[in-house]
Order: sequence, then C-alpha cells, then structure tokens
Amino acid sequence: DVKVTQSSRYLVKRTGEKVFLECVQDMDHENMFWYRQDPGLGLRLIYFSYDVKMKEKGDIPEGYSVSREKKERFSLILESASTNQTSMYLCASSLWGGSSYNEQFFGPGTRLTVL
Amino acid sequence: DAKTTQPTSMDCAEGRAANLPCNHSTISGNEYVYWYRQIHSQGPQYIIHGLKNNETNEMASLIITEDRKSSTLILPHATLRDTAVYYCIAPYSSASKIIFGSGTRLSIRP
Repeated sequence: DVKVTQSSRYLVKRTGEKVFLECVQDMDHENMFWYRQDPGLGLRLIYFSYDVKMKEKGDIPEGYSVSREKKERFSLILESASTNQTSMYLCASSLWGGSSYNEQFFGPGTRLTVL
Repeated sequence: DAKTTQPTSMDCAEGRAANLPCNHSTISGNEYVYWYRQIHSQGPQYIIHGLKNNETNEMASLIITEDRKSSTLILPHATLRDTAVYYCIAPYSSASKIIFGSGTRLSIRP
C-alpha cells in the first residue's frame, strides 16, 4: 500500500525556534509538495520539488525553506518560527508526468502550534 | 490551471445519492478534472478523475458535461463516513501550482 508519512501529527514550538517537518514517501515519486491548510483558505502550496536537490516556490514560500537530499524525503524548515505559522502542514507526492498532472498522495498532516 | 467553483456546503440523507457539482468554465482541452476528499484531521485522498467521458470506480462516479464546463461527482449511496470536504481541481501539469480551493463540505444526515 502506497504511503506518505510525516514525522509528527502534533508539534508545539516556541517563537523563534527552528522547526523541521519531515516527509517520507515509499512510492519512488519524483514530485513532492508541502502545503499549509488554514480554515477558510483551503490548501496553499508552500514549495514543491520535482527531483532531488530541485525546488520551486509555491504561493506562500516566505518564512520557509525546503531540503530534498534524497528522492524519498522532503523536509520543510521554519528558520525562525512565528505565531502566524501555526497551521496544519500537509505533504504530498506524485509521479512526474511531464506536461500531465498525476494524482497526489497526501500524508496525514502535522498540526503545528507556535507559542 | 483552470479555476473551479464549488458550493461551500451541502447535505444529503444517508443512503441517498450525493451529487456534488463543480464549475470549471475556463477548462482547456487537455485539462483533466480531478476530485479529492478530505476527512476531518486527515490528508486529502484521491477519488476519481476524467477528461471528457463519464468515469466510475469503486468510490464514485464522475459526470462531465459535453462542453466540459462543469462536472458532478456522485456518491451513489452516501454513508456517514462520506462526511468530508470534497475538492474539485483542474490542474494543467504536475509541476504547476495546483490550486485546491475551499471545496464543498458535505454533511450526511442519519
């Protein structure tokens, strides 16, 4: 069964801390994505990666960075967490389809609270 | 990506068919329509997709109008476990900034 796992379901951090959110997929997918989800705003794309060491900014990259050193792992980094980064963070992966979209597989999400 | 428009919320009686509409009037010829759902506190889950023909799988049916400007997701016999937010998207490419809107919150009445 295909799987996307995220390192934590719930996380509480303090303002100014460096936060790492880890995502691992076991489907050998080329594409990986990080979204945040807030009430009334739907899913907003933070960053995505279509290959190892490759990354592209999404709609709301400010305050975030990412790392993809291995194909199966995509990390989201909050360099200095702030209270407005309290949110649900969702990771997803999909096969590279060239000019075609392929279905995304989502992880269970990490609910991050920044105090 | 084509913009999609969905009602904010709907409800349906348990055991009846739930019909969820989606408007995608700006869709281009090679953009598929994809449906996902998100059960509370979980990540979105793929349901079905189609280009211009109607599609059916074990979860749902997808009816796409002939002009492709709208579609309807049909859950034939809704159960309480179908309570979720349903997203309709029309992405152009796997590397594009795929837009998930706010979706339709479907409530199933016992």
